[in-house]
Amino acid sequence: EDQVTQSPEALRLQEGESSSLNCSYTVSGLRGLFWYRQDPGKGPEFLFTLYSAGEEKEKERLKATLTKKESFLHITAPKPEDSATYLCAVQAKGGTSYGKLTFGQGTILTVHP
Amino acid sequence: NAGVTQTPKFRVLKTGQSMTLLCAQDMNHEYMYWYRQDPGMGLRLIHYSVGEGTTAKGEVPDGYNVSRLKKQNFLLGLESAAPSQTSVYFCASTKIAGGPSYNEQFFGPGTRLTVL
Repeated sequence: EDQVTQSPEALRLQEGESSSLNCSYTVSGLRGLFWYRQDPGKGPEFLFTLYSAGEEKEKERLKATLTKKESFLHITAPKPEDSATYLCAVQAKGGTSYGKLTFGQGTILTVHP
Repeated sequence: NAGVTQTPKFRVLKTGQSMTLLCAQDMNHEYMYWYRQDPGMGLRLIHYSVGEGTTAKGEVPDGYNVSRLKKQNFLLGLESAAPSQTSVYFCASTKIAGGPSYNEQFFGPGTRLTVL
């Protein structure tokens, strides 16, 4: 069974204080690992897809990396507007390729000015 | 493009009542999904559809039914609501589930359902 565990559950940072969020996963053959951002009362918003170990992707202050067992979302010099819940999800390879995503519980990030 | 829209945004039901949640997408996507999100549980797949006229069960299908009569619409029904179905429901869609460039799922804004 595919599993995704995110840590920490919650993270409080001061503006400008860089840090990382962790996503550990077990999956029977990884097709893709996804990062989403979710603001309160809204649906998840796509950030990145990573497909293979060693891959990195960047968007503004965010950088996602992938190994064979985990992914990190690095946040450099965060701003208060980066406050949100960050969700990690995996998609497995396989015959039933209907795009099923297995999500972690998310990390609630709060950035104080 | 409106993307993925959901109606209603909020709803309160009494135990035993029925209702239908509507999801619509204007991106001509083939695959559509219904998820529920509960505190500490993450997003869990209820049902999904790989095309017009086809539906299938996800992880937590009990107590729900779905229909996809038109490509752009995916309906989620609760025939007899229970308090355990209190949750936030999200609809999502993707163009093609298997292709590496099209795996991104686009989510709607959600429906917050309370069953008393």
